[in-house]
Amino acid sequence: GESVGLHLPTLSVQEGDNSIINCAYSNSASDYFIWYKQESGKGPQFIIDIRSNMDKRQGQRVTVLLNKTVKHLSLQIAATQPGDSAVYFCAENLNRDDKIIFGKGTRLHILP
Amino acid sequence: DAGVTQSPTHLIKTRGQQVTLRCSPKSGHDTVSWYQQALGQGPQFIFQYYEEEERQRGNFPDRFSGHQFPNYSSELNVNALLLGDSALYLCASSSTLELVDQPQHFGDGTRLSIL
Repeated sequence: GESVGLHLPTLSVQEGDNSIINCAYSNSASDYFIWYKQESGKGPQFIIDIRSNMDKRQGQRVTVLLNKTVKHLSLQIAATQPGDSAVYFCAENLNRDDKIIFGKGTRLHILP
Repeated sequence: DAGVTQSPTHLIKTRGQQVTLRCSPKSGHDTVSWYQQALGQGPQFIFQYYEEEERQRGNFPDRFSGHQFPNYSSELNVNALLLGDSALYLCASSSTLELVDQPQHFGDGTRLSIL
């Protein structure tokens, strides 16, 4: 896999490798965090979420890690597939009924 | 189970005109939020409707207004269109009745182009 610095707009990963997408969030009072995937011409699609009282949550092929000390969120995708090509956004709310504040997004490009 | 649906999918307007975009929330959802997504950017929150009232508003001028109907569907209206209003307008729905965390679900948006 390949880890990237914060705010890198594009991440290129070999098919089959693990991908790690990083994100810095802005509000230390945010209580709920979400990763969305957006494919071309589509709306954001929910991938995984995590509450501030957790530091790790796993889904199918995806893991989200939360470090509240440095206000950092990461998304790990195992065994990256061509269908994972998209722009990935981290997002935060103060509570789940609040507006969502989106990060800048990272484009994931899968190399054959 | 239909997700969030938006209409129209694409729209072309000229400066100064007015536009109305429509959204039907996911079945069982009662709250609708609208976002503006400029090309290459993340979505920006416009406002949120619940119980037919605007509950929260982002940093958008009064030219942007909305409405929610008794069936929870919603409209976004933009008056006096500017070139900078060209964007993808996204609708998201959620439920206040859910007892566990439920993220907002997004539609595929309306692509608005201003000439």
